[in-house]
Amino acid sequence: DTAVSQTPKYLVTQMGNDKSIKCEQNLGHDTMYWYKQDSKKFLKIMFSYNNKELIINETVPNRFSPKSPDKAHLNLHINSLELGDSAVYFCASSSGTGPREQYFGPGTRLTVT
Amino acid sequence: DAKTTQPPSMDCAEGRAANLPCNHSTISGNEYVYWYRQIHSQGPQYIIHGLKNNETNEMASLIITEDRKSSTLILPHATLRDTAVYYCIVRGIQGAQKLVFGQGTRLTINP
Repeated sequence: DTAVSQTPKYLVTQMGNDKSIKCEQNLGHDTMYWYKQDSKKFLKIMFSYNNKELIINETVPNRFSPKSPDKAHLNLHINSLELGDSAVYFCASSSGTGPREQYFGPGTRLTVT
Repeated sequence: DAKTTQPPSMDCAEGRAANLPCNHSTISGNEYVYWYRQIHSQGPQYIIHGLKNNETNEMASLIITEDRKSSTLILPHATLRDTAVYYCIVRGIQGAQKLVFGQGTRLTINP
């Protein structure tokens, strides 16, 4: 009965590779997010989708491309991985009305070597 | 969204009430106060939110001052599992819904 799930949990890859992280929520929410937590533990928003439409796009390199095939899924594809992309990536979701508290997934720890 | 200020760290004895303060002196009338926490290596967890009245749920209580410039999150009977970084975030409910996380308060519950 997991609410927000992410795969994989750990991802180790080499510089220059392309990788994807998947996120799914079964809460019936219509808004989903990607956050990045770097080595200094700062959490920052990257993207947000509402009903499959991009509504937040922070200053993120073009190598990062989110894709939302439907309201329950938001995937993150990263091209030409760099050392600085090493971080923990969290997916979250919220409803589109009311206080919109966000529910987070367990995170994907990406290590680029 | 208004900026918040929290102490970087706090300690509390197990079984006692943990009171975590947050200053948000520039909060505007339509902005809510949200609290989240992040237990080591896990995703952030929503705790509680409020606008102007005090709020209580199964996890915690939120006390907001009358002028709304500060608030306190209360964990009534802290356990070791409450050791985490606690984030106070001020945000409106309209427009873009990104959460802006500060450094938070690292709460350590001691046995």
